[in-house]
Amino acid sequence: DTAVSQTPKYLVTQMGNDKSIKCEQNLGHDTMYWYKQDSKKFLKIMFSYNNKELIINETVPNRFSPKSPDKAHLNLHINSLELGDSAVYFCASSQVQTGNTIYFGEGSWLTVV
Amino acid sequence: AQSVTQPDIHITVSEGASLELRCNYSYGATPYLFWYVQSPGQGLQLLLKYFSGDTLVQGIKGFEAEFKRSQSSFNLRKPSVHWSDAAEYFCAVGALGGGADGLTFGKGTHLIIQP
Repeated sequence: DTAVSQTPKYLVTQMGNDKSIKCEQNLGHDTMYWYKQDSKKFLKIMFSYNNKELIINETVPNRFSPKSPDKAHLNLHINSLELGDSAVYFCASSQVQTGNTIYFGEGSWLTVV
Repeated sequence: AQSVTQPDIHITVSEGASLELRCNYSYGATPYLFWYVQSPGQGLQLLLKYFSGDTLVQGIKGFEAEFKRSQSSFNLRKPSVHWSDAAEYFCAVGALGGGADGLTFGKGTHLIIQP
């Protein structure tokens, strides 16, 4: 029973391609996030959605576009991939009203060649 | 702005020895503190969290952490480490009831266990 699941786990693609990472949570949470972990393991929030509404949009290139079709899903689409986009992308979710503990998915390892 | 400092990038501990990982935070409101662990090639697993109340919190895998408001610290401890504890450890701070702001993470401490 994976609480936060994201696919694919590994993705190798060429520069200039467009790719998507999908995320689903079965915890009934109202908030979902995308975090990026760089090569130095630093984790930084990219986006957050609360009840399908964009709340946080950190300084991220507009090639990155999140989409939340419903509360349980938050997908990340990346256009015109660049070498510097290589990273691990983590989806996460929380329930704001009951304490806001954030639960993470297993991560998606993106390598741009 | 909130921030988290983990002063030790790497720590090496012998198996069976005690462990303390340091975490200092800067936050304007009541902090909401977490420790996560990331094993190689894996996602982040929640070890423990502090909301309020007892300042010594117990977590999974035998870990505990103590919140010290006067020192703005939330150090993680374990009395006796096992080889399987080798991993990256992240301290994080968030706003209790702060909406969808997410967490601010420290840069992590890489724990190495010597046999």
